[in-house]
Amino acid sequence: QSVLTQPPSVSAAPGQKVTISCSGSSSNIGDNYVSWYQQLPGTAPKLLIYENDKRPSGIPDRFSGSKSGTSATLGITGLQTGDEADYYCGTWDTSLSAGGVFGGGTKLTVL
Amino acid sequence: QVQLVQSGAEVKKPGASVKVSCKASGYTFTSSDIYWVRQATGQGLEWMGWMNPSSGNTDYAQRFQGRVTMTRDTSINTAYMELSSLTSEDTAVYYCARAAQRDKLDYWGQGTLVTVSS
Repeated sequence: QSVLTQPPSVSAAPGQKVTISCSGSSSNIGDNYVSWYQQLPGTAPKLLIYENDKRPSGIPDRFSGSKSGTSATLGITGLQTGDEADYYCGTWDTSLSAGGVFGGGTKLTVL
Repeated sequence: QVQLVQSGAEVKKPGASVKVSCKASGYTFTSSDIYWVRQATGQGLEWMGWMNPSSGNTDYAQRFQGRVTMTRDTSINTAYMELSSLTSEDTAVYYCARAAQRDKLDYWGQGTLVTVSS
């Protein structure tokens, strides 16, 4: 059971837009930055978004992030077949068992 | 270019320990924390802890306290993660990652598969 809650799967057609939600609490998302990672099959995770809405160099602006209260959202526009992957949100938790926490991951299928 | 290269796959028996290495290159090793994250087959990411390569300070996830040790050798720009008292539930791919800041794991190692089996 992950501390952050994501939908197990989402799907959309090529060229369309999709959003992936990440729900937490006041001790994690509510009080800390959120990052997003893309994991292609058989590879290590790759940073897509940090500080809620910032993109590292080399990440196209088709990927966007936002945060409101205790939830965060990853948006992907102009879907491509190469975007099929697992997506994870992550943040810090400042509760008694402080540390890094991740969502359970969302499998994106581009139909 | 920044690279994190991890040691190869390991097969261990229950009760044994495993030590995974993570060699950094392309940046100043002591300037960024190293995080360790694991992923069981078909499962999500699980944060294990972090280490500051400059000071050697560490912070471990509560569930691994007493079983995990993170160390480094700054002379060879290498971080280590040792996990003891292994059980089958520790079978997973273990990743090291550079933390440019706490929420920004910007470079990851290729992963090390640790299989625990009798």
